[in-house]
Amino acid sequence: ETGVTQTPRHLVMGMTNKKSLKCEQHLGHNAMYWYKQSAKKPLELMFVYNFKEQTENNSVPSRFSPECPNSSHLFLHLHTLQPEDSALYLCASSQDLTGTTDTQYFGPGTRLTVL
Amino acid sequence: GQQLNQSPQSMFIQEGEDVSMNCTSSSIFNTWLWYKQEPGEGPVLLIALYKAGELTSNGRLTAQFGITRKDSFLNISASIPSDVGIYFCAGQLDGGTSYGKLTFGQGTILTVHP
Repeated sequence: ETGVTQTPRHLVMGMTNKKSLKCEQHLGHNAMYWYKQSAKKPLELMFVYNFKEQTENNSVPSRFSPECPNSSHLFLHLHTLQPEDSALYLCASSQDLTGTTDTQYFGPGTRLTVL
Repeated sequence: GQQLNQSPQSMFIQEGEDVSMNCTSSSIFNTWLWYKQEPGEGPVLLIALYKAGELTSNGRLTAQFGITRKDSFLNISASIPSDVGIYFCAGQLDGGTSYGKLTFGQGTILTVHP
């Protein structure tokens, strides 16, 4: 148990659906991240938030829309996804973005399948 | 962009054997990290390295930050079945907008036969 929880753990959706992934951290951190993990590919950083402000959007398509209402919660809103978006979506948190030694703690991920 | 080349891609070993895996980069990093991911879970940090040449141990795990800052290795001694999983290296630059941006290797899948 890393202190970062994600719901749902599994999600199957059609290309016309709208769904949201939720991440919550209980570590008192101020930075939160979304990563995409596809089979046989390195983890890809998608978004970074620091103190609720988005600091990084790694050229992610607009069908992925993040939301960070406070430092403990992070959402990823999904709409009109494509089958190639099927992957494990990982959330992570760290103390903030000011230190070399800032460690990222990962949640268990949401396994997303787009039909 | 930066890329990490992690090898080997997979390993099948007998319990009790030692394991070695490494990562090389086309550019330098200021921090090297090693994570382990088990099925159904997110990556968990094993070892963090912050200085070139640094050698750090965590139980049966030992990792080193290469002198050139372009490589790192992870050794596991006397492997046991619970070492099974995917091991990832990750690099990070320092300063400004680089904090928080980890570049990950492709992972090494480790299988340990009892």
